[in-house]
Amino acid sequence: EDQVTQSPEALRLQEGESSSLNCSYTVSGLRGLFWYRQDPGKGPEFLFTLYSAGEEKEKERLKATLTKKESFLHITAPKPEDSATYLCAVQAVRRANNLFFGTGTRLTVIP
Amino acid sequence: DGGITQSPKYLFRKEGQNVTLSCEQNLNHDAMYWYRQDPGQGLRLIYYSQIVNDFQKGDIAEGYSVSREKKESFPLTVTSAQKNPTAFYLCASSIVQGASNEQFFGPGTRLTVL
Repeated sequence: EDQVTQSPEALRLQEGESSSLNCSYTVSGLRGLFWYRQDPGKGPEFLFTLYSAGEEKEKERLKATLTKKESFLHITAPKPEDSATYLCAVQAVRRANNLFFGTGTRLTVIP
Repeated sequence: DGGITQSPKYLFRKEGQNVTLSCEQNLNHDAMYWYRQDPGQGLRLIYYSQIVNDFQKGDIAEGYSVSREKKESFPLTVTSAQKNPTAFYLCASSIVQGASNEQFFGPGTRLTVL
């Protein structure tokens, strides 16, 4: 059974305090792992897709990495506008085009 | 601008009513999806469609129905058989073929049962 666990549930950081969000997954045949950002009351915004262990992708202050069991979203020197819920999702080979989502990490960056 | 639109943004339903949520995309994507989001839970797939006039049940299809008569449109009907419909509903779309299958989401519809 596909499973995605995100930790921590909530994270409070001071502006400029770097940290990482974790996404642990169990899936039979990983086709892709996706990171999204979601602001309150809005739809998720696509950030990254990772396909194989060792892959890394960056966008501004965000960097996503992937191993065979987990993915990390590293946030370097965060700003208050980075406050949001970050969602992780996996796509299994046997469920082509369908994503299985974790419950998210709610990030708050304090000025 | 290409994107996904959902309407209405807020919807209130009385007990026993059917309501329909609209989803339109101009991204020329073949696949469209409906998810439900509840507090403390991940997004859960209700229905998806990879081609016009064809759709499949997701993990929580009971009490919902869909149609896909046009590539651009994928409306969701929440029927009176859905016992706990209060939630945030999200529509998404993606390409079907190719290495990247990321799904792009609309702004959502918040449904409340009165």
